[in-house]
Amino acid sequence: AQKVTQAQTEISVVEKEDVTLDCVYETRDTTYYLFWYKQPPSGELVFLIRRNSFDEQNEISGRYSWNFQKSTSSFNFTITASQVVDSAVYFCALFLYNFNKFYFGSGTKLNVKP
Amino acid sequence: EAQVTQNPRYLITVTGKKLTVTCSQNMNHEYMSWYRQDPGLGLRQIYYSMNVEVTDKGDVPEGYKVSRKEKRNFPLILESPSPNQTSLYFCASSSGLAGGPYEQFFGPGTRLTVL
Repeated sequence: AQKVTQAQTEISVVEKEDVTLDCVYETRDTTYYLFWYKQPPSGELVFLIRRNSFDEQNEISGRYSWNFQKSTSSFNFTITASQVVDSAVYFCALFLYNFNKFYFGSGTKLNVKP
Repeated sequence: EAQVTQNPRYLITVTGKKLTVTCSQNMNHEYMSWYRQDPGLGLRQIYYSMNVEVTDKGDVPEGYKVSRKEKRNFPLILESPSPNQTSLYFCASSSGLAGGPYEQFFGPGTRLTVL
């Protein structure tokens, strides 16, 4: 069963637009961790953020922000004033503490056009 | 420099010919993992290891083997590769297991084609 769903396969925006990437996860565990990774066209995987299930505080890092809502099992990622360099595939991931396993979503490809 | 290395980066082989993809990390991380990335499916965990001599199956372990004889190395073995194992493979490592894993450091990837 899909544990992490990224329903947006591909999104295209024009530079300076704000964009939100959705991530919905599924687990009955109370202890888990959520992550976002970026995969630019060069192919490497770059860590963006880690959140544990007990910390629902939203986080902002420069133009990036994350909204974690346990009530809706979502961990959405917003890029403010997007730039061409933000063009990449973004993956949301879930780590289940009791199983020591990672589950990744299928990714959202973001195209930012100048 | 902290890094995860994989070799080879590219490999074309034929069905049934055993191969090994090596993975090594220099960060003294306990947790290591192998993933395959396929279009539309994201990354799927093949095997993971909590520490030396401790390995377990991920979501898609069929057709793969691993070993963890040393903390730094975690090779992926395909005993009899088949075309459906054509994929992009990533090795990753992380620390902080007791309090939940910190970021995973990923290798550069190995693109495998099985003819």
